[in-house]
Amino acid sequence: QKEVEQNSGPLSVPEGAIASLNCTYSDRGSQSFFWYRQYSGKSPELIMSIYSNGDKEDGRFTAQLNKASQYVSLLIRDSQPSDSATYLCAVSLGGSYIPTFGRGTSLIVHP
Amino acid sequence: GAGVSQSPRYKVAKRGQDVALRCDPISGHVSLFWYQQALGQGPEFLTYFQNEAQLDKSGLPSDRFFAERPEGSVSTLKIQRTQQEDSAVYLCASSSQDGDLEKLFFGSGTQLSVL
Repeated sequence: QKEVEQNSGPLSVPEGAIASLNCTYSDRGSQSFFWYRQYSGKSPELIMSIYSNGDKEDGRFTAQLNKASQYVSLLIRDSQPSDSATYLCAVSLGGSYIPTFGRGTSLIVHP
Repeated sequence: GAGVSQSPRYKVAKRGQDVALRCDPISGHVSLFWYQQALGQGPEFLTYFQNEAQLDKSGLPSDRFFAERPEGSVSTLKIQRTQQEDSAVYLCASSSQDGDLEKLFFGSGTQLSVL
């Protein structure tokens, strides 16, 4: 079992809808959580970080963290075709400063 | 430079050849990471430097893999006697001690194909 789990998808949503991406992790002591976006053939780009339980909003993006359930999610409101990419969840497991990545979820936003 | 620079962008090697991949991090970034990304997978950790010190090399898959950062800036990942299973994109990332060590800025990667 991988330490950071994501559904590989693809997740297909219509333009304007809310896309919900989920991630679970194995180490209850983890403190730092990140979402990266990776366009096809490109390198990952950090879009959100979250450290405390609850929600963190940045524009159309909301990250949600539930440490008790070892669960972190990313919501994308008003999805656009330009949001079509692979979204990577990364967790600094335990006390590590080294992010461990999930396999990523492919998101397709269709017009 | 403005971002993390990696070279070469593409590398084709015959099985058994040695290769060297270069990473030039963002100026002033003390932390440098190497990851390996196979097609359809997430990045897998290889090794981590803080300045010139290699603090973690637990992800290096075999003793054919070697990384260095002698002056605390440019890093080189060397793979000896390449095998087909080494074919992947090798990503370098750096982060700043002033910000958050775990917020990584990635280079464009080196796509290695071993024939």
